[in-house]
Amino acid sequence: AQSVSQHNHHVILSEAASLELGCNYSYGGTVNLFWYVQYPGQHLQLLLKYFSGDPLVKGIKGFEAEFIKSKFSFNLRKPSVQWSDTAEYFCAIEYSSASKIIFGSGTRLSIRP
Amino acid sequence: AAGVIQSPRHLIKEKRETATLKCYPIPRHDTVYWYQQGPGQDPQFLISFYEKMQSDKGSIPDRFSAQQFSDYHSELNMSSLELGDSALYFCASSSPGTSGRGELFFGEGSRLTVL
Repeated sequence: AQSVSQHNHHVILSEAASLELGCNYSYGGTVNLFWYVQYPGQHLQLLLKYFSGDPLVKGIKGFEAEFIKSKFSFNLRKPSVQWSDTAEYFCAIEYSSASKIIFGSGTRLSIRP
Repeated sequence: AAGVIQSPRHLIKEKRETATLKCYPIPRHDTVYWYQQGPGQDPQFLISFYEKMQSDKGSIPDRFSAQQFSDYHSELNMSSLELGDSALYFCASSSPGTSGRGELFFGEGSRLTVL
């Protein structure tokens, strides 16, 4: 079945710490990959996306993600987090064989000031 | 820039009542998606439309129906409401990119509370 999994449900970091959130997906052919962020009380917003080309993609607010095809992974990283990064982060995948985007269960990121 | 517009933003209904949510996609976006997000849950895909035709169906209950109109806006109709239908309902739109269907642009959501 087509699915995407996020390993960490809740991550707590101090400001300036480095961040890596895991995301794995089940094999299903060609995929497009996304990371969305949902700040408290707000709607989902796109952080970054991978369609093809350079597997290391850079998004907004200093976030980046690396697509590793052999590991079916698309982990999100940020070298130094800020308090304002407190939010829920969702990995999402679009299989070329389907016309929907599937979301992972989300990772809640809490930053200690 | 114009965004995805959803109405109403908040809706309170009683059990067994009916509710209708509306979504107006970004101009020139031809694909609309509906997601349901329960408290503390990830968004669950309900249904999508492309060029006014249903393109995919997810975990949408039979009590729910949706359609996309000629102006590309979409409506989600929910009947015989249950307590478990209380959730945030997101609409998103997209237009085909150079590869795949592109990113989703989400509306602010419609929060449905069933009492």
